[in-house]
Amino acid sequence: DAGVIQSPRHEVTEMGQEVTLRCKPISGHDYLFWYRQTMMRGLELLIYFNNNVPIDDSGMPEDRFSAKMPNASFSTLKIQPSEPRDSAVYFCASSLERWNEQFFGPGTRLTVL
Amino acid sequence: KQEVTQIPAALSVPEGENLVLNCSFTDSAIYNLQWFRQDPGKGLTSLLLIQSSQREQTSGRLNASLDKSSGRSTLYIAASQPGDSATYLCAVSAYNTDKLIFGTGTRLQVFP
Repeated sequence: DAGVIQSPRHEVTEMGQEVTLRCKPISGHDYLFWYRQTMMRGLELLIYFNNNVPIDDSGMPEDRFSAKMPNASFSTLKIQPSEPRDSAVYFCASSLERWNEQFFGPGTRLTVL
Repeated sequence: KQEVTQIPAALSVPEGENLVLNCSFTDSAIYNLQWFRQDPGKGLTSLLLIQSSQREQTSGRLNASLDKSSGRSTLYIAASQPGDSATYLCAVSAYNTDKLIFGTGTRLQVFP
């Protein structure tokens, strides 16, 4: 398996624009996690899914953020409208079962000007 | 609320040294603890996962120990190499959640 795949790897956009980040988890993994990493706050869990169903979105900072998982092999994290403070690296991770080892994607570095 | 702390925040050692990275957590009701490595500009790579019932796990030159009652874990790196230079993060998962709670990491530099 190719591991967790994220796209794009880098995104530069202007304030107010919509941003969509994409993730393909490892095949067969039941759990998918979206994280955000910044220098100030470290790694924060935004939302996670089990079998395509959102379980906990308490880490989503605002209504501007939304995430979907339409099927077992694809998830999106959308920011609309984007703001400069959203600039960070966004990681997607997946795990086979509950409490199992998590495997991370390479991340998407988002810069909002 | 679970809090995870890693000390030191940064460490610089000469090649060949054995070293210990520390991780502490405030709530001992954990299911497991995971150690990750992160290279600059890259994602996280899982190194070791220790179940709460285990005392240690080993992989090559790495050995991770867990003392759940005292809320501590250590990552021991034997015979360090320049290629070990990276940020090391520990993370714990609790029984009542599927979430991983991450520490702030230790930035390690091994110089030749």
